[in-house]
Amino acid sequence: KQEVTQIPAALSVPEGENLVLNCSFTDSAIYNLQWFRQDPGKGLTSLLLIQSSQREQTSGRLNASLDKSSGRSTLYIAASQPGDSATYLCAVRGNQAGTALIFGKGTTLSVSS
Amino acid sequence: NAGVTQTPKFQVLKTGQSMTLQCAQDMNHEYMSWYRQDPGMGLRLIHYSVGAGITDQGEVPNGYNVSRSTTEDFPLRLLSAAPSQTSVYFCASKQAGVTDTQYFGPGTRLTVL
Repeated sequence: KQEVTQIPAALSVPEGENLVLNCSFTDSAIYNLQWFRQDPGKGLTSLLLIQSSQREQTSGRLNASLDKSSGRSTLYIAASQPGDSATYLCAVRGNQAGTALIFGKGTTLSVSS
Repeated sequence: NAGVTQTPKFQVLKTGQSMTLQCAQDMNHEYMSWYRQDPGMGLRLIHYSVGAGITDQGEVPNGYNVSRSTTEDFPLRLLSAAPSQTSVYFCASKQAGVTDTQYFGPGTRLTVL
């Protein structure tokens, strides 16, 4: 059974710092991995999607990498801002029927000004 | 283009009551799903549908029913609400296939007393 773990559970940094969020998964047979952002009381917003054949994806200050063989992904946030404060969720999509997303529990990021 | 919409945003039920959580999408997505999010548990898949007339169970389907009579709508029915169903419910949609980004609605916060 696929399990997704995110470390750390919470992170506090000062504005301007570069940071890395980690995601690991137990079954490397995935089709893709997706990073989401969730603001308090809100839904999920997709940030980046990495296909299993890709190594990384970039969007603005965000860069996500994928090492499928080792079951790891990282989300790199450059020059963090207070507006980046949110919970970041990692989810993998396997190749089983139903194509369900399996989520980690998230990393709650707080960026202070 | 409203994306994925959910109603109601908040609901309080008494144990044993029934209700339907509504979900609609206007992106002509074939795949729709329902998740619940609980503290410390992450998001877990309840039911999903790969197209009109086709539904299947996810990880935690007990106590919930779904139907998919149109591409746009995917309601979630609680047959006899229990306190264990107190949660935040998210509806999501995507194109068919495993390579596409999943879009989430804003969520319904349900409390069962």
